[in-house]
Amino acid sequence: KNQVEQSPQSLIILEGKNCTLQCNYTVSPFSNLRWYKQDTGRGPVSLTIMTFSENTKSNGRYTATLDADTKQSSLHITASQLSDSASYICVVRGDNTDKLIFGTGTRLQVFP
Amino acid sequence: KAGVTQTPRYLIKTRGQQVTLSCSPISGHRSVSWYQQTPGQGLQFLFEYFSETQRNKGNFPGRFSGRQFSNSRSEMNVSTLELGDSALYLCASSLVDNFYGYTFGSGTRLTVV
Repeated sequence: KNQVEQSPQSLIILEGKNCTLQCNYTVSPFSNLRWYKQDTGRGPVSLTIMTFSENTKSNGRYTATLDADTKQSSLHITASQLSDSASYICVVRGDNTDKLIFGTGTRLQVFP
Repeated sequence: KAGVTQTPRYLIKTRGQQVTLSCSPISGHRSVSWYQQTPGQGLQFLFEYFSETQRNKGNFPGRFSGRQFSNSRSEMNVSTLELGDSALYLCASSLVDNFYGYTFGSGTRLTVV
């Protein structure tokens, strides 16, 4: 069964610290993987999209990695800011399909 | 350019009533998808429309329906509301399909009392 699992479910860090969020998937064959940031009460906003051949992609303080062999992705946030407090959702698209498989997200809270 | 616009932003309805939510996609985007988001379930796919035709449908009861107009604007309707329909309803648009991802709207927060 195609699944996307994210860990941890929630995370609390202090402002200025780094953190890493994990995404494991069983979707096969694989087309691409996206990370979205969702502020409370708002729609998700795309951070990165990675295809099979990409290992690392950065967007400012956000760096996503992908290991297609182990079917794992991570989102690393550097020098966290209060505005990073949000839910981060991992979404996988299978190959030869237009179905998106959503993870349930990691809720990140950054405190001063 | 303007993003995806959803109206209304908040809505309170009574059990048994029906509700219509509206979504205006980014100009030029022809695909519109709808999602239900609840704290326990995450994002659940409702349906997708492309060129006024429903292209995909999720596993929701027939009380949930939608349509798309010739200008790509889309509406979603829920009839005979139940308490469990309380959720954030998100609309997402893309040029043709979701291969490179969506642009999401801010959502409509529906509360059923």
